[in-house]
Amino acid sequence: SAVISQKPSRDICQRGTSLTIQCQVDSQVTMMFWYRQQPGQSLTLIATANQGSEATYESGFVIDKFPISRPNLTFSTLTVSNMSPEDSSIYLCSVDWGNSGNTIYFGEGSWLTVV
Amino acid sequence: KNEVEQSPQNLTAQEGEFITINCSYSVGISALHWLQQHPGGGIVSLFMLSSGKKKHGRLIATINIQEKHSSLHITASHPRDSAVYICAVRIQGAQKLVFGQGTRLTINP
Repeated sequence: SAVISQKPSRDICQRGTSLTIQCQVDSQVTMMFWYRQQPGQSLTLIATANQGSEATYESGFVIDKFPISRPNLTFSTLTVSNMSPEDSSIYLCSVDWGNSGNTIYFGEGSWLTVV
Repeated sequence: KNEVEQSPQNLTAQEGEFITINCSYSVGISALHWLQQHPGGGIVSLFMLSSGKKKHGRLIATINIQEKHSSLHITASHPRDSAVYICAVRIQGAQKLVFGQGTRLTINP
């Protein structure tokens, strides 16, 4: 199994500021995934982070707004830049585990409120 | 139309009742996952299905690939089963997961 530590768990942020979310996995993984869950909505993939290469962003998400770092096989960060109230969401990191990604593990989530 | 549709969106039941949550999808998939999200936001993986049926304790998950449909059943439901249950499919040939809207389940004592 994989254990994912994500922080911060919760934060209240001022409009126009940036916040970096950290995700630490207790094992080496090739890909890490960053999701956003807006209030009352399901999860939407922001980007896939591979070690040693640029993250791959989904339609509607851009690197300037959500820069991602992946310095090694156990760690990644997601920054939410120049925040507005529309960025108020839960942000989650995730990894696939096991043969063919049998099990999905999620971090505990970072609940951001932008005021 | 979403690629993954869940029903019902909300479900309230009494303790002990048999619960069924449905998931239909419209794309080719390599696997389907059932996830549980508690009020604090944490998400736990319950099942991964590519065919047939799986059982874990009081939870049973089935999938019909031909009909593009999966169900999650909870027997002898308990208030601690109250959570949002999310169906997610892995698109065939891709790493990407697509998520349903979730079903909010409330079990009253």
